[in-house]
Amino acid sequence: AQSVSQHNHHVILSEAASLELGCNYSYGGTVNLFWYVQYPGQHLQLLLKYFSGDPLVKGIKGFEAEFIKSKFSFNLRKPSVQWSDTAEYFCAVNDGGGSQGNLIFGKGTKLSVKP
Amino acid sequence: EAGVAQSPRYKIIEKRQSVAFWCNPISGHATLYWYQQILGQGPKLLIQFQNNGVVDDSQLPKDRFSAERLKGVDSTLKIQPAKLEDSAVYLCASSFDGYTFGSGTRLTVV
Repeated sequence: AQSVSQHNHHVILSEAASLELGCNYSYGGTVNLFWYVQYPGQHLQLLLKYFSGDPLVKGIKGFEAEFIKSKFSFNLRKPSVQWSDTAEYFCAVNDGGGSQGNLIFGKGTKLSVKP
Repeated sequence: EAGVAQSPRYKIIEKRQSVAFWCNPISGHATLYWYQQILGQGPKLLIQFQNNGVVDDSQLPKDRFSAERLKGVDSTLKIQPAKLEDSAVYLCASSFDGYTFGSGTRLTVV
């Protein structure tokens, strides 16, 4: 069965610091990869997704992620975080069904940005 | 575009009681999902519908959970009887060319 691992449970950064959140998945076939953000009290929102093509994916709000197939990784990055980035971040994968099919989520990483 | 609507937002019940959640997906989205998100964990799929048919309910505890999507639009998820470990946020999502999540129903079983 597929699984998704997010290495950090809680990350605390100061504003303007750089961010990298780790995500590894366990599935050898075709995968689609996603990062979602959940602000306090709000619904899950898509930050970015990878289906195919350029492994460096740019998303909303200055986030990007790099798909490294050999490492089964899809780490999320942002060069300079803001206080408004305080939220919980979830990595998710499906078995190549595009935007259909069950999404397998990681446990999430809570990001706290200090002003 | 209107989002995925869920109600109620919050529910507190005693164990062994029953509870029902409602979801109205985005118009035209044939695929609908119910996820359970326990505190400190990521969402876990309970059931997936394609129109009014079940695609995947392998992780649905069928002895107490049931779900239906009779006309291929709205859906309800029911728990009867509830247990303490059912305390979680229940998320509904729909998809067509992307997944859209509702705000969820936070269930507390006491």
